[in-house]
Amino acid sequence: EPEVTQTPSHQVTQMGQEVILRCVPISNHLYFYWYRQILGQKVEFLVSFYNNEISEKSEIFDDQFSVERPDGSNFTLKIRSTKLEDSAMYFCASSPEGFYNSPLHFGNGTRLTVT
Amino acid sequence: RKEVEQDPGPFNVPEGATVAFNCTYSNSASQSFFWYRQDCRKEPKLLMSVYSSGNEDGRFTAQLNRASQYISLLIRDSKLSDSATYLCVVNPDVDSSYKLIFGSGTRLLVRP
Repeated sequence: EPEVTQTPSHQVTQMGQEVILRCVPISNHLYFYWYRQILGQKVEFLVSFYNNEISEKSEIFDDQFSVERPDGSNFTLKIRSTKLEDSAMYFCASSPEGFYNSPLHFGNGTRLTVT
Repeated sequence: RKEVEQDPGPFNVPEGATVAFNCTYSNSASQSFFWYRQDCRKEPKLLMSVYSSGNEDGRFTAQLNRASQYISLLIRDSKLSDSATYLCVVNPDVDSSYKLIFGSGTRLLVRP
């Protein structure tokens, strides 16, 4: 079964540094997403991406965050200047369609630790 | 009121038991509903979509009550492998097809 893959599985960085989290969505999917989960808290929506542009973003997704699909397979999340509170599990997801009844397939996540 | 609210549990049940979880949502315009399962420090995995007429998948039954704005999940004949956190997930707005709202999850522990 095709799956969403994310790298690295764990990233440790110092406060103020830039990080790039990488994702390879399922190949025939058209919609891509980033969610995050702070330890012990619920999964939160960050951003959705379709047709090479952001479709929607949450209040969390401020100017420190950006997303990119640099080629036909990768989907990246960049955090420009990390803060301690950015420490979380970051999940990439994709779906074949964007209408409301299309379930998401999540990757296995990148654990980001900001020290 | 929280957008999606669940009893955090834990529900501690013996193998073979039947257990039910409820979830309430605040936006009456919500159109699509899902149950996801999440194991400790792993990604959420889709368990089942929830349809208006209710639906069943093996030992799992999901129901939707739009009038009362709640969703339920029933697990029959619990297995040890069912131990996990069950996430109620709602798409709150049909015009915004990209954003899912997750509940905090209900933890299930199935004991031998």
